[in-house]
Amino acid sequence: DTGVSQDPRHKITKRGQNVTFRCDPISEHNRLYWYRQTLGQGPEFLTYFQNEAQLEKSRLLSDRFSAERPKGSFSTLEIQRTEQGDSAMYLCASSQGWDMNTEAFFGQGTRLTVV
Amino acid sequence: SQQGEEDPQALSIQEGENATMNCSYKTSINNLQWYRQNSGRGLVHLILIRSNEREKHSGRLRVTLDTSKKSSSLLITASRAADTASYFCATDARYGNKLVFGAGTILRVKS
Repeated sequence: DTGVSQDPRHKITKRGQNVTFRCDPISEHNRLYWYRQTLGQGPEFLTYFQNEAQLEKSRLLSDRFSAERPKGSFSTLEIQRTEQGDSAMYLCASSQGWDMNTEAFFGQGTRLTVV
Repeated sequence: SQQGEEDPQALSIQEGENATMNCSYKTSINNLQWYRQNSGRGLVHLILIRSNEREKHSGRLRVTLDTSKKSSSLLITASRAADTASYFCATDARYGNKLVFGAGTILRVKS
């Protein structure tokens, strides 16, 4: 297992198009997180899954955003009708346990540019 | 909103010097973590300190936690050019369901 992997690494899309990102967590990890990071800022929480259940969503996650984690394995994050303000780095992280008393392992991120 | 605030926002030092970064947070926590991020890459976990701990060491890293002041510091001793990165503190928020990050400190180590 080589860690958390994200695909694609970079995505350029036209405004109004839909995009989907994939995250493959470390295989034995039951928790999976999505974060968004803009230049010069720290990562901002979007949503997290405990196994296949999506347990919390940030108010940042508008109705254009949807995330899934079928079967508690990989996860997808879809953004519909993209806007220029969606341009950011989207980070996925996974951890093992029932709270945040363990470290989270991050992927390399997907950099989205909306033109 | 971001729970942690790092200070300073940017720090430039010579190789071999020590670097100290501070983090303040707002709500009670179970633990506080420090992460490093190289330019445009993912975050790498450095150290986790629990709320009942006051100090923790890992190699050249020393972390302190003062829950009464809601603050933490990260000390990197004998810095190297490879330590050049952004450093973030993250807390587990009140109910421990997610990590909440600060805006980070950009560290530049000049060789």
